[in-house]
Amino acid sequence: NAGVTQTPKFRILKIGQSMTLQCTQDMNHNYMYWYRQDPGMGLKLIYYSVGAGITDKGEVPNGYNVSRSTTEDFPLRLELAAPSQTSVYFCASSPAGNTEAFFGQGTRLTVV
Amino acid sequence: AQSVTQLDSQVPVFEEAPVELRCNYSSSVSVYLFWYVQYPNQGLQLLLKYLSGSTLVKGINGFEAEFNKSQTSFHLRKPSVHISDTAEYFCAVEVTGFQKLVFGTGTRLLVSP
Repeated sequence: NAGVTQTPKFRILKIGQSMTLQCTQDMNHNYMYWYRQDPGMGLKLIYYSVGAGITDKGEVPNGYNVSRSTTEDFPLRLELAAPSQTSVYFCASSPAGNTEAFFGQGTRLTVV
Repeated sequence: AQSVTQLDSQVPVFEEAPVELRCNYSSSVSVYLFWYVQYPNQGLQLLLKYLSGSTLVKGINGFEAEFNKSQTSFHLRKPSVHISDTAEYFCAVEVTGFQKLVFGTGTRLLVSP
């Protein structure tokens, strides 16, 4: 049972480049989330989705975009990478609110 | 808006000693409360959660937490820690019906022999 799978695990980007962080879950969960984790700051919600075709902004959405065309996939797009986007990104899913969120292993992104 | 405060960024403790990791939240509406653990280079996994009912919640690995509504706290405790408990612990709150978790800044638990 794979759970939540994120790719890539590591990536170095140059300023101004774009990339997509992939997230796939095989648990048929309706809810999916993208968080970024910075040292001493905890996790901040970037975007979330309550089902295919439905997305909404979290606390720190600027510089990012998402789409949810299927239940399984929730990619995060960085259009013009900036050093402030250097972080560890976590994707998570849950079957509903007030239930356990299952996290991927994370993507460590460095923008230079 | 709701927020979560974890006052201790780091808690050093000796093996087999008891530990308490503090968490306070602010919200004017009812919430669900969670504790997650993150081992090095891994994602987060659920330790325990409070949704309703008994204010003392037991979780995995011998951890427990007590919900105190009057003090808006949800402190995590373990009577005897092990080296393998070394990790970062996050308290999180979800406003009922909003399906979004708000995390605290985390507490690093360092267990030494």
